[in-house]
Amino acid sequence: QKEVEQDPGPLSVPEGAIVSLNCTYSNSAFQYFMWYRQYSRKGPELLMYTYSSGNKEDGRFTAQVDKSSKYISLFIRDSQPSDSATYLCAPASGAQKLVFGQGTRLTINP
Amino acid sequence: NAGVMQNPRHLVRRRGQEARLRCSPMKGHSHVYWYRQLPEEGLKFMVYLQKENIIDESGMPKERFSAEFPKEGPSILRIQQVVRGDSAAYFCASSFTHTGGYEQYFGPGTRLTVT
Repeated sequence: QKEVEQDPGPLSVPEGAIVSLNCTYSNSAFQYFMWYRQYSRKGPELLMYTYSSGNKEDGRFTAQVDKSSKYISLFIRDSQPSDSATYLCAPASGAQKLVFGQGTRLTINP
Repeated sequence: NAGVMQNPRHLVRRRGQEARLRCSPMKGHSHVYWYRQLPEEGLKFMVYLQKENIIDESGMPKERFSAEFPKEGPSILRIQQVVRGDSAAYFCASSFTHTGGYEQYFGPGTRLTVT
């Protein structure tokens, strides 16, 4: 079993839709949870960073962590074509390596 | 405030040559991480360094690969005697963990092609 599982998609939705991206993980030591966005042939860009369980909102983006079920989510409201990218979940235990999911390729259709 | 810088952005090497990839962390960041992204695969951790120290190299191949982060200058990922399977995008990330804040910020990557 992989430490972090993420549905690779691809996921295609119309502009304006609410997008839900999800990951599950197996390592109980993970305390910090990051979401990255990666455009084709670019470096990952940090979108959201949360510590332990709970919700965090930043503009159109909301990150949720449920440590009891080892489930992390990223919601995108009012999706835009510019949101088309690969989204990567990456939990970590402190100042240690990030363990990336496979990434979900998202396309927002105008 | 400059972000993480990596150079070169593209590197072509023949089999058997050496590849040197450089990474300058964000200002104030003292922790550097290297990751590799093979074609159609996810990002995989390679090594975690602080100034003059290797903290975790559990993701580094046992042979041909080495990394350093000297007191002065950028972090270097060195691949000796490259093979075709080394062709990948290599990303560097940095973080500032003096008082918490474990977010890692990534550079644009170096795309290595071995011919």
